[in-house]
Amino acid sequence: KNEVEQSPQNLTAQEGEFITINCSYSVGISALHWLQQHPGGGIVSLFMLSSGKKKHGRLIATINIQEKHSSLHITASHPRDSAVYICAVPGSNYKLTFGKGTLLTVNP
Amino acid sequence: EPEVTQTPSHQVTQMGQEVILRCVPISNHLYFYWYRQILGQKVEFLVSFYNNEISEKSEIFDDQFSVERPDGSNFTLKIRSTKLEDSAMYFCASSEAGRGNYGYTFGSGTRLTVV
Repeated sequence: KNEVEQSPQNLTAQEGEFITINCSYSVGISALHWLQQHPGGGIVSLFMLSSGKKKHGRLIATINIQEKHSSLHITASHPRDSAVYICAVPGSNYKLTFGKGTLLTVNP
Repeated sequence: EPEVTQTPSHQVTQMGQEVILRCVPISNHLYFYWYRQILGQKVEFLVSFYNNEISEKSEIFDDQFSVERPDGSNFTLKIRSTKLEDSAMYFCASSEAGRGNYGYTFGSGTRLTVV
């Protein structure tokens, strides 16, 4: 069973700051997902990556398969980025095992 | 962009009642899933469905739970006799995994409250 750990659990930032959220997992995987969950609960897929780095707007995700570690970065953070960010890894039947999430609050 | 649609968005039910949560996954995806999230906790896997049958289920998915894909479109989760501890957000998801694409699409969830 894959154990997924995220840090930090809570993160408060000022608008404009550079944000980093970390994820580590215990069992080798083929891909890793970064997800966003807003208050009210809906889950949105941000990235799915299997190597290297991906960028979408102000969001950047990196993964190091050998070290079993991934990071999500947000550049020039904005209050609308406030949400829970979750990493998840696939296992048998491609089901996802989720981390506990990182609650990000960006203050104006 | 294709979406996964879930209905209802909220459901309140009395303990012991049966509920059916409905989902319309993306039609050409191969795998369909139900996950749940109890308030304040992480998202947990319930069941995966592939080739018109359950491919895997968690220990949470006991005899009171069942899934169906009755018409090739809808994908339902039935809870036969709800308990207070079934109160949670239930997410449906679909994936093209199996075609080398591990991308996932989630529905917006059904918030189930058992009273």
